[in-house]
Amino acid sequence: QEKVQQSPESLIVPEGAMVSLNCSFSDSASQSIWWYQQHPGKGPKALISIFSNGNKKEGRLTVYLNRASLHVSLHIKDSQPSDSAVYLCAVYSGGSNAKLTFGKGTKLSVKS
Amino acid sequence: EAAVTQSPRNKVAVTGGKVTLSCNQTNNHNNMYWYRQDTGHGLRLIHYSYGAGSTEKGDIPDGYKASRPSQENFSLILELATPSQTSVYFCASGARNSGNTLYFGEGSRLIVV
Repeated sequence: QEKVQQSPESLIVPEGAMVSLNCSFSDSASQSIWWYQQHPGKGPKALISIFSNGNKKEGRLTVYLNRASLHVSLHIKDSQPSDSAVYLCAVYSGGSNAKLTFGKGTKLSVKS
Repeated sequence: EAAVTQSPRNKVAVTGGKVTLSCNQTNNHNNMYWYRQDTGHGLRLIHYSYGAGSTEKGDIPDGYKASRPSQENFSLILELATPSQTSVYFCASGARNSGNTLYFGEGSRLIVV
């Protein structure tokens, strides 16, 4: 069974700061890694995904994947108070048992 | 924007009672999922489905049944509810391909007393 661990558990930063969130996973054969954002009282919403080693940038978001170390990170540039939310790392295991396994999340608070 | 609707949004049930949580999606997605979310555990997969008539066990299926009568609808059934099943339940749908995006509903908050 896939294991997904996230760090830190919570993070408080000033507005405009660069935010770095970490995620480690257990299965090197995992097909893709996803980051979801969840605001209080809402369902998670997909932010960005990565399939191959390296990095991917979308707007203020950059994700880095290193399959050899089973590690992925999400970086948020110029953070805003509206970025305050829980960020969930999820690993997609394909094949005959396709499903997403989630980490416990990192709670981000951006203070203005 | 893909739409996933859950009902009821809030439910209080008695121990030993039957609870049915319903989920409807208008995305024409093949895959549907039920997760529960608890402090300290994150999102955990209960049951999922690849299409009408199919259900698969997730990581924590004990005490839950699932039903997928159509492409659009996926239900989670607690035949004998227990206080340990107090949680927030999320339904999600996704297309059938590698690394599909999951679209989540707003959640159903269940309290079992």
